[in-house]
Amino acid sequence: DGGITQSPKYLFRKEGQNVTLSCEQNLNHDAMYWYRQDPGQGLRLIYYSQIVNDFQKGDIAEGYSVSREKKESFPLTVTSAQKNPTAFYLCASSTPGTSRNEQFFGPGTRLTVL
Amino acid sequence: AQSVTQLGSHVSVSEGALVLLRCNYSSSVPPYLFWYVQYPNQGLQLLLKYTTGATLVKGINGFEAEFKKSETSFHLTKPSAHMSDAAEYFCAVSANTGGFKTIFGAGTRLFVKA
Repeated sequence: DGGITQSPKYLFRKEGQNVTLSCEQNLNHDAMYWYRQDPGQGLRLIYYSQIVNDFQKGDIAEGYSVSREKKESFPLTVTSAQKNPTAFYLCASSTPGTSRNEQFFGPGTRLTVL
Repeated sequence: AQSVTQLGSHVSVSEGALVLLRCNYSSSVPPYLFWYVQYPNQGLQLLLKYTTGATLVKGINGFEAEFKKSETSFHLTKPSAHMSDAAEYFCAVSANTGGFKTIFGAGTRLFVKA
């Protein structure tokens, strides 16, 4: 079955640590996205990538980094510079032109800072 | 630029009652409109979408929405609520402005009372 997988489902981080969240898709989508979700704040865009080896900052990129070395993979690193990283992180993908940017979402990773 | 406003962060209905979740959008070019549903600790799932053509669109689980250009609205309705409809609902707008970008509303949490 085609879809998006995110791992791990739950992640705990100590202060000062970098952690990497995995996102993989087998939908052959060109574009991939990372969102952060906090209670009552909806989805906020962290980074997005429209093609391999290219990505752009979203609205809240500070303290995060990404790479897009393969079409199917778009990992997100939460660095120690992110002061309040506890949140639910969602990865999504789309084929913007033909689908009008209908996005397909993974199940999410809940990150908690200890 | 696009924007989305969902009226009411929380909506409560009785089982069997009409569900109405409100969404207004702003877009300088013809918009594409989406409703997504999110169950606790899960990713978002597409309920329905409007791209072109018929302005009344039907989605999964008995939901439908009507695109009203004159009112810049895309309200989500369901004639009879079921307990399983309790979830958070997100309205989103996308437009081709030299590349697609999707803007999500803040979300409306639907409570269904027995």
